[in-house]
Amino acid sequence: QVQLQQSGPGLVKPSQTLSLTCAISGDSVSNKTSTWNWIRQSPSRGLQWLGRTYYRSKWYHEYAVSVKSRIIINPDTSKNQFSLQLNSVSPDDTAVYYCARVSSSGDWLHFDSWGQGSLVTVSS
Amino acid sequence: DIQMTQSPASLSASMGDRVTITCRASQHISNYLTWYQQKPGKAPELLIYGASNLQSGVPSRFSGGGTGTDFTLTITNLQPEDCATYFCLQTYSTPTWTFGQGTKVEIK
Repeated sequence: QVQLQQSGPGLVKPSQTLSLTCAISGDSVSNKTSTWNWIRQSPSRGLQWLGRTYYRSKWYHEYAVSVKSRIIINPDTSKNQFSLQLNSVSPDDTAVYYCARVSSSGDWLHFDSWGQGSLVTVSS
Repeated sequence: DIQMTQSPASLSASMGDRVTITCRASQHISNYLTWYQQKPGKAPELLIYGASNLQSGVPSRFSGGGTGTDFTLTITNLQPEDCATYFCLQTYSTPTWTFGQGTKVEIK
């Protein structure tokens, strides 16, 4: 059974960088049938997909247009984990952040495993 | 981005009732529709994928339907443990999947 364990600071100052890590057990970040995603949830925005990384003979990174200029999602194969960096944060980035795996059931893809969630508050 | 609109935003029903939540996509998404249940302080849990396929381990009182732009999640014989917020998710437009805003289900 796949488990995702999130870690990182819960408080970030405005204009600084939000950094979170998602450690994977029960699967590999290099698995060619999975993708590894970050999602956030706030009362104002609801659930919002932020981006993903995945391996298909080479590494791919794809991001939501709304955050594309300031987000990086990277795999770490040595530790079997992946990370989120969101630069130049503002109070509007305050949210619960989730990491999540996408896998397939036949033809259907879906988020089937989630981290426990990390409340990140952007405040001075 | 494809917009997903859920209704109602909240509902209150009695134990044993049948409840239906609807989700409408701003454009055709075939059957690329997933339903999640989220309880307070927890991550969402997968209920239904491909619009109507029940995830393993999910009680059979949950069912999904629809295709194209209009979808439903039905809970028959509502139980206290079904109190939660339910979200739809379109997985048609890759990579930018989008969620509905959620429907909160309460027991009267």
